[in-house]
Amino acid sequence: DAKTTQPNSMESNEEEPVHLPCNHSTISGTDYIHWYRQLPSQGPEYVIHGLTSNVNNRMASLAIAEDRKSSTLILHRATLRDAAVYYCLPPGGGSYIPTFGRGTSLIVHP
Amino acid sequence: KAGVTQTPRYLIKTRGQQVTLSCSPISGHRSVSWYQQTPGQGLQFLFEYFSETQRNKGNFPGRFSGRQFSNSRSEMNVSTLELGDSALYLCASSPEGEVWTEAFFGQGTRLTVV
Repeated sequence: DAKTTQPNSMESNEEEPVHLPCNHSTISGTDYIHWYRQLPSQGPEYVIHGLTSNVNNRMASLAIAEDRKSSTLILHRATLRDAAVYYCLPPGGGSYIPTFGRGTSLIVHP
Repeated sequence: KAGVTQTPRYLIKTRGQQVTLSCSPISGHRSVSWYQQTPGQGLQFLFEYFSETQRNKGNFPGRFSGRQFSNSRSEMNVSTLELGDSALYLCASSPEGEVWTEAFFGQGTRLTVV
């Protein structure tokens, strides 16, 4: 099964950029990379997804390595509201069903 | 546009009882997935329904079942409840497309089994 590796936790200060890494060395050619986050007491929410090139949206940026075996979720200016568990989902495509690992718990200091 | 709605939000049941949880997906979404979240096991996939048919199933015992109605609303049922079934049950809906891109989750139903 495709797997991902993420650090258990990371810390950041408010207003600073945060780079959340993920390794997905078993990724194959047409697999997408998805990121979700889960705020306290809420269901997960979609953050971003990508295939090959870097992606940007209003919430974050996704930088994908050239060999696609790793990716980095970038929060350009962390806020206290960004404190959450961030999940990098195992790659998949087609009738893919998202499976969640342990994720990275992001702590943001004021 | 209304989000995914799960009812009830909280539930307390006794061991041996059964429970039914409900999920109303976003209008127009035909895929509904269910997840169980516990502190020990994290988020685990239960099953997915599309057009009233179970399309994918996770590794859970037969006590866990579900169904989907013609309006895409879904229910999941747990029979013969055990203490270990205490968890947050999350429902997610997705638009149908060639490549799954984005699931929208509800706030979940917190089930406590005593």
